[in-house]
Amino acid sequence: NAGVTQTPKFRVLKTGQSMTLLCAQDMNHEYMYWYRQDPGMGLRLIHYSVGEGTTAKGEVPDGYNVSRLKKQNFLLGLESAAPSQTSVYFCASSTYSRSSYNEQFFGPGTRLTVL
Amino acid sequence: KNEVEQSPQNLTAQEGEFITINCSYSVGISALHWLQQHPGGGIVSLFMLSSGKKKHGRLIATINIQEKHSSLHITASHPRDSAVYICAVNQGGKLIFGQGTELSVKP
Repeated sequence: NAGVTQTPKFRVLKTGQSMTLLCAQDMNHEYMYWYRQDPGMGLRLIHYSVGEGTTAKGEVPDGYNVSRLKKQNFLLGLESAAPSQTSVYFCASSTYSRSSYNEQFFGPGTRLTVL
Repeated sequence: KNEVEQSPQNLTAQEGEFITINCSYSVGISALHWLQQHPGGGIVSLFMLSSGKKKHGRLIATINIQEKHSSLHITASHPRDSAVYICAVNQGGKLIFGQGTELSVKP
């Protein structure tokens, strides 16, 4: 099993360009998450999904859109990239549990630079 | 004030030393996670706990729900333990992360 994979691993954009980050998981997990990691700030939740066809905003959703058309995929879109979106992006997935004791499995990350 | 605070932010140790990293939180939680991030970025889950203590090899994690505090201990530290250790609390299925503790273990 590949676990959680992310595409691409690195990307450089110019201000105003758009792009989509792809996250795929082969563990049949219900929940999927997109985080950004910035120096001194820790990981912050951008958007998340509790199942196919559903998405919700996290802590820092502005400037991003997401889609979960298939259970195994979670896409993060930047419509008009800004330098403030320079960051490392992590995708994660977890099982559903009423107790919420859900271990999250992380992808390897995507390093995005916006010039 | 951050909802999840870790201390210290940076830690340098000599090989073989006993290491403690602390995590305090200010919100109600269902579980607490300790994660490890190696240079190169990959993040792996070390522990998930809601009470008491868990042990895995040389790593021990404890939590005191009443005091809203958790510790991660590393016994007989080794240079390969050098990484960033991240505390995260599970609130309603979503994780709130601490800023991480960067550990460097010198040979």
